[in-house]
Amino acid sequence: SQQGEEDPQALSIQEGENATMNCSYKTSINNLQWYRQNSGRGLVHLILIRSNEREKHSGRLRVTLDTSKKSSSLLITASRAADTASYFCATDATQGGSEKLVFGKGTKLTVNP
Amino acid sequence: KAGVTQTPRYLIKTRGQQVTLSCSPISGHRSVSWYQQTPGQGLQFLFEYFSETQRNKGNFPGRFSGRQFSNSRSEMNVSTLELGDSALYLCASSLLQWENTGELFFGEGSRLTVL
Repeated sequence: SQQGEEDPQALSIQEGENATMNCSYKTSINNLQWYRQNSGRGLVHLILIRSNEREKHSGRLRVTLDTSKKSSSLLITASRAADTASYFCATDATQGGSEKLVFGKGTKLTVNP
Repeated sequence: KAGVTQTPRYLIKTRGQQVTLSCSPISGHRSVSWYQQTPGQGLQFLFEYFSETQRNKGNFPGRFSGRQFSNSRSEMNVSTLELGDSALYLCASSLLQWENTGELFFGEGSRLTVL
């Protein structure tokens, strides 16, 4: 089963608006990461937030983490058409005795010019 | 510095055949992970190799196998292909075992179509 689940599955906004994506997970984590994927391409790491951090910024990105609610959010401010992509959260998980980095199914963001 | 290189980028196979995909990690990276991405299941972890040893394995049948060479290059093999194996196979590398660095560097993927 998925460790992380993004919400919403799809999001369409106008250029200049902010985009917020949420991620919920099931078990305790050491860190949570966000990745971006342009259509059919590889994933690109955006930001990592550790379990003892509550908020982190990187350029136009702001990530929050609430371990009590087992949730994270990714905010992209002043969005651009080039931000159009799928965004995935990833959490470390131990499943069946195996440690792995588990990805959610992603939020597909469309930024209209 | 060159990124993660995956070959081939696209391939078409028929049911019952086998396929080998190759991944060259970023120079100096010793950990290689493989993921299968499909529209229905999303990104599913296949396995992770570190210093030629398989450290972790996902929940895939034995038809899926892999290995890592002394130069950290990795291959994965899928035997007796099924239609459901059609997917984008992504390779990712990291300097250390991923839990020590957190960040994975992904290749562009190998898109496999099984007819």
